[in-house]
Amino acid sequence: AQSVSQHNHHVILSEAASLELGCNYSYGGTVNLFWYVQYPGQHLQLLLKYFSGDPLVKGIKGFEAEFIKSKFSFNLRKPSVQWSDTAEYFCAASPSGAGSYQLTFGKGTKLSVIP
Amino acid sequence: EAQVTQNPRYLITVTGKKLTVTCSQNMNHEYMSWYRQDPGLGLRQIYYSMNVEVTDKGDVPEGYKVSRKEKRNFPLILESPSPNQTSLYFCASSAPGTGNQPQHFGDGTRLSIL
Repeated sequence: AQSVSQHNHHVILSEAASLELGCNYSYGGTVNLFWYVQYPGQHLQLLLKYFSGDPLVKGIKGFEAEFIKSKFSFNLRKPSVQWSDTAEYFCAASPSGAGSYQLTFGKGTKLSVIP
Repeated sequence: EAQVTQNPRYLITVTGKKLTVTCSQNMNHEYMSWYRQDPGLGLRQIYYSMNVEVTDKGDVPEGYKVSRKEKRNFPLILESPSPNQTSLYFCASSAPGTGNQPQHFGDGTRLSIL
């Protein structure tokens, strides 16, 4: 069965620090990969997605992620975080093509940014 | 405004009393799905629907039912709720050509089963 692992449960950073959140997936074939963000009290929003092509994907709010096939990873990065980035971040994966309706989420990483 | 609407937002009820959480989207999306979110477990897919009258189980379907009689609506039914179904529930919908992955989420329904 497919699975998604997020390395950190809770990350605390000061403003302007760089961010990297780890995500590894376990799938037999090709995958679609996603990062979602959930701000306190709000619903999930899509940050970025990877289907194919350039493994470096740019999303909204200055976030980017790199797909490294050999490492089964899709880490999220931001060069300089702001207090407003405080949220919970979820990595998700689905098989490409048939079966792509099934979406598996990681357990999430809470990010706290200290002003 | 494009949106996914869930009702109710909050519900406290008792074990065994059937309940339905409604979900409606105004974007003419074909794909809709239900998730539950629990602390430390992230989001887990309950059921999804590829189109009207086409539904399938996700990762945690036990104790839930769904129906998709109209494109815009995808209700989640708990025939006999139990305390382990206390959770935060999200409905989502997606447009064609986006890999059928959820792009729009509802605001969530917090269910407490006593």
